[in-house]
Amino acid sequence: DVKVTQSSRYLVKRTGEKVFLECVQDMDHENMFWYRQDPGLGLRLIYFSYDVKMKEKGDIPEGYSVSREKKERFSLILESASTNQTSMYLCASSLSTEGWETQYFGPGTRLLVL
Amino acid sequence: GQNIDQPTEMTATEGAIVQINCTYQTSGFNGLFWYQQHAGEAPTFLSYNVLDGLEEKGRFSSFLSRSKGYSYLLLKELQMKDSASYLCAARDSNYQLIWGAGTKLIIKP
Repeated sequence: DVKVTQSSRYLVKRTGEKVFLECVQDMDHENMFWYRQDPGLGLRLIYFSYDVKMKEKGDIPEGYSVSREKKERFSLILESASTNQTSMYLCASSLSTEGWETQYFGPGTRLLVL
Repeated sequence: GQNIDQPTEMTATEGAIVQINCTYQTSGFNGLFWYQQHAGEAPTFLSYNVLDGLEEKGRFSSFLSRSKGYSYLLLKELQMKDSASYLCAARDSNYQLIWGAGTKLIIKP
């Protein structure tokens, strides 16, 4: 079974703090994704990566950066947290972006920025 | 623009059948996914359609009409554990997933 883990389930930070969210997958997947999920909205893609040290902007990259130094680990960084970044953050990985290959999700990190 | 529409909430009775609809507008089309998400948990994969027609998988079936930009998820013999949100996602020409906001399904005894 694919396992995607995220470093924290719940996180409380103050405005202006630097926040690190880590994601690790154990299935040697090429692709990794960071989404945020807000009530009434679909999952929105922040960043994704197709390979080590490679990153691509998603739909809402502003205020975020990412790092992929190892294949199994994909980190999301909030350089200076703001209250509008309070959200559920979901990491996902997939073997491929084509065909029936699905994305496997981690349990999510619920971030509250005060 | 790209858009996925699905009902916000539906209610059904244990043992009954429910159909959750999804319409999509994407730049190109490379398949449609359905995921299940229980409250506070990660989305989990349910089904994938890329050709027109019905795909059956146990109590769950998914239908796709590419010409109409329409899909539905059919859940039979509903159980209380089926209470969850059901997310529809279409893959566009760039192989990115465009997500609907999800349909919260409430099952009553």
